[in-house]
Amino acid sequence: AQKVTQAQTEISVVEKEDVTLDCVYETRDTTYYLFWYKQPPSGELVFLIRRNSFDEQNEISGRYSWNFQKSTSSFNFTITASQVVDSAVYFCALSEIAGSNYKLTFGKGTLLTVNP
Amino acid sequence: GAVVSQHPSRVICKSGTSVKIECRSLDFQATTMFWYRQFPKQSLMLMATSNEGSKATYEQGVEKDKFLINHASLTLSTLTVTSAHPEDSSFYICSARDRQGFTEAFFGQGTRLTVV
Repeated sequence: AQKVTQAQTEISVVEKEDVTLDCVYETRDTTYYLFWYKQPPSGELVFLIRRNSFDEQNEISGRYSWNFQKSTSSFNFTITASQVVDSAVYFCALSEIAGSNYKLTFGKGTLLTVNP
Repeated sequence: GAVVSQHPSRVICKSGTSVKIECRSLDFQATTMFWYRQFPKQSLMLMATSNEGSKATYEQGVEKDKFLINHASLTLSTLTVTSAHPEDSSFYICSARDRQGFTEAFFGQGTRLTVV
């Protein structure tokens, strides 16, 4: 069975600080996808990134960066120079592939609060 | 990215009545749609997977007679909460996958259901 663990329930930082959100996953599949989503107070889920299990290259998108370490089953997310608008709940998710319609298993989420 | 529209965004209904929530893919054809439920400050729990033209597959513990899912076309899936009770109050969110096989699932805006 798949499992996604986001050990940090809540994180509070001051604007301009860097912050890393941790994600550890478990799966028996050799091929899978990992995702990060942002959920602002309005409730919608905003897609941030998808990573294929075969691609361990780290990715940077503006102030966002992701560190995929297959050896430790981790897919951590770093926000550099955080801003108040980054305040939201962030979910890490795992998608199995084989015969599953690619359904997502979500972690419990990390509430990030960025204070001015 | 692709757009998924969910309606209504908020609904209040009386106990014992039924409520229908619509999930539409606006600019792509979705062979598979997913319905999630989210309790306050908790993660998204998959309720069911619906494939166009066939019966939905419900997750363990989800009452199929309580939560009726219909996926009659490639752009529309509906979730009907029948004989709603206050414990059904929750945030319901759908997602849809493109029939072309992209692994990213796009999410609707969510529906906050309150049963009084």
